[in-house]
Amino acid sequence: GAVVSQHPSRVICKSGTSVKIECRSLDFQATTMFWYRQFPKKSLMLMATSNEGSKATYEQGVEKDKFLINHASLTLSTLTVTSAHPEDSSFYICSARDPSSSYNEQFFGPGTRLTVL
Amino acid sequence: GENVEQHPSTLSVQEGDSAVIKCTYSDSASNYFPWYKQELGKRPQLIIDIRSNVGEKKDQQIAVTLNKTAKHFSLHITETQPEDSAVYFCAAALRDNFNKFYFGSGTKLNVKP
Repeated sequence: GAVVSQHPSRVICKSGTSVKIECRSLDFQATTMFWYRQFPKKSLMLMATSNEGSKATYEQGVEKDKFLINHASLTLSTLTVTSAHPEDSSFYICSARDPSSSYNEQFFGPGTRLTVL
Repeated sequence: GENVEQHPSTLSVQEGDSAVIKCTYSDSASNYFPWYKQELGKRPQLIIDIRSNVGEKKDQQIAVTLNKTAKHFSLHITETQPEDSAVYFCAAALRDNFNKFYFGSGTKLNVKP
């Protein structure tokens, strides 16, 4: 199946700093990528849809100025958590659709564990 | 927006028994329903999916059923093995809406040897 990578896998930062997370589709071009947030023992909450060459669309309740998304190429989307605070600590997972793959399948990255001190 | 509910939150079965996980969705326009398995510390992996034009789909020991009228779908795992232990998530998606997935809350399945 298609492979999606994320970097970094773990990051610890101080409160007030910004953190950038990268999501890459390694062997296919992804016009659409998705960003999720997962709390411990909880479900995947869709944060935003990242579209190559256009602005991301955010789900209700997600602050677009807090979580900046850039999808500059067909293989890379980035999520920047700006002015991070402890409540932003979470597991962030991206996914990507392979247009050549079956119907609607999304391939997930391995996730990034963010800890804000 | 779409709201997906999943039950039970935890499920323990003996090896060899069957496990059933149920989900309901709210948006009648949703037309794609995947099931993902997430092992501890790993990424979610697609195990089976079903489209709205099909009522049932089977793949070896797993099967999924869909009732569009009632807006619910279920995952059935037969002859469970300890390696089936994981968290299972259902999701609903609308093909035209950028294929956005809305996930259920997850079911932690524990298969006891």
